[in-house]
Amino acid sequence: AQKVTQAQTEISVVEKEDVTLDCVYETRDTTYYLFWYKQPPSGELVFLIRRNSFDEQNEISGRYSWNFQKSTSSFNFTITASQVVDSAVYFCALSEAPVRDDKIIFGKGTRLHILP
Amino acid sequence: NAGVTQTPKFRVLKTGQSMTLLCAQDMNHEYMYWYRQDPGMGLRLIHYSVGEGTTAKGEVPDGYNVSRLKKQNFLLGLESAAPSQTSVYFCASSFRLAGDGGGELFFGEGSRLTVL
Repeated sequence: AQKVTQAQTEISVVEKEDVTLDCVYETRDTTYYLFWYKQPPSGELVFLIRRNSFDEQNEISGRYSWNFQKSTSSFNFTITASQVVDSAVYFCALSEAPVRDDKIIFGKGTRLHILP
Repeated sequence: NAGVTQTPKFRVLKTGQSMTLLCAQDMNHEYMYWYRQDPGMGLRLIHYSVGEGTTAKGEVPDGYNVSRLKKQNFLLGLESAAPSQTSVYFCASSFRLAGDGGGELFFGEGSRLTVL
């Protein structure tokens, strides 16, 4: 069965520090998809990134970067030079994507506090 | 653009009462989902639908029923509400399956349900 573990429940860093959010997943499939979502204090969930299991290249988008390592079943998220607006709950998610199905399972989330 | 709209936004029920949460999307998305969010538990998938007239069980389906009679609507019903169903409920939709290059979920604003 698919499973996503975000071991860090809550993290606090001072503004401008770098911070990494960990995500470890479990799946029996060789084809799967990983996602990160952000939930700011307003409550709405926002999609950040999608990665398939065949693409292990790291991704960078501005101050955000993602490190996908199949060998350790991890898909970690790093925020460089954090800002107060980055304060949110971040969720990692996994889809095993069988034919004509799309059960997307989320981790428990990591609450990130960026202190001014 | 409305996107994904959930009604009602807030509701208080007594144990044993029934109610229906409505999710409507105007993006012509094929796939729709209901999640519940509880402190320390993250987002858990209740039921989902891969097309009009179809539904499937997620991680925590007990105590809930769903229907997808129209492509744009996904209803979540509680036949006999229990205090354990106090939660914030999120509806989401997606255009394509993760396996088809999609999987990005568009979320509603959430519905806060309290069962006394």
